[in-house]
Amino acid sequence: GAVVSQHPSRVICKSGTSVKIECRSLDFQATTMFWYRQFPKQSLMLMATSNEGSKATYEQGVEKDKFLINHASLTLSTLTVTSAHPEDSSFYICSATDQPSPGELFFGEGSRLTVL
Amino acid sequence: KNQVEQSPQSLIILEGKNCTLQCNYTVSPFSNLRWYKQDTGRGPVSLTIMTFSENTKSNGRYTATLDADTKQSSLHITASQLSDSASYICVVSPGFQKLVFGTGTRLLVSP
Repeated sequence: GAVVSQHPSRVICKSGTSVKIECRSLDFQATTMFWYRQFPKQSLMLMATSNEGSKATYEQGVEKDKFLINHASLTLSTLTVTSAHPEDSSFYICSATDQPSPGELFFGEGSRLTVL
Repeated sequence: KNQVEQSPQSLIILEGKNCTLQCNYTVSPFSNLRWYKQDTGRGPVSLTIMTFSENTKSNGRYTATLDADTKQSSLHITASQLSDSASYICVVSPGFQKLVFGTGTRLLVSP
């Protein structure tokens, strides 16, 4: 199956700093990418949907100035957590698809963010 | 409100045994239903995708069923292995690339 790579897999940062997480589709062109966060023992919560070359669509309650999403190419989307705080500590997962709905979604391995 | 409920929340079975996980949904309209396996600390991996017209779909030892009339789905795991220990997530799509996630069933296969 298609491969989606996330980097870094784990990151620890100090409160107030910014952290960038990358999501790459390695063997297909991802027209749409999704970003989720997941708290322990809970399911994935969609944060935003990004289409290549256009602004991301954020879910209700997600601060767009805090979680900056860039989908500059068909193989790369980035999530930047700005001015991170301990409550931003979570597991962030991306997924990507090259198909219109309904379509197969391929998930990245996830990135564990810990803010001290 | 679009919701996906899964049961049981957690389950422990002995290696080699079969088990069935349940998913009930109230998502409307309905486009497709997916089952994912998520190992701890990893991203979900797709097991099956079923559309309205599909009643059953298999992927190795995993068999998913769908009853669109009662809005229920099940995932049956045959001859469980230790590597089946994971969270199993039911996801329903109303279309337009939207997904409604269930809270998952945490399965532990014990030797």
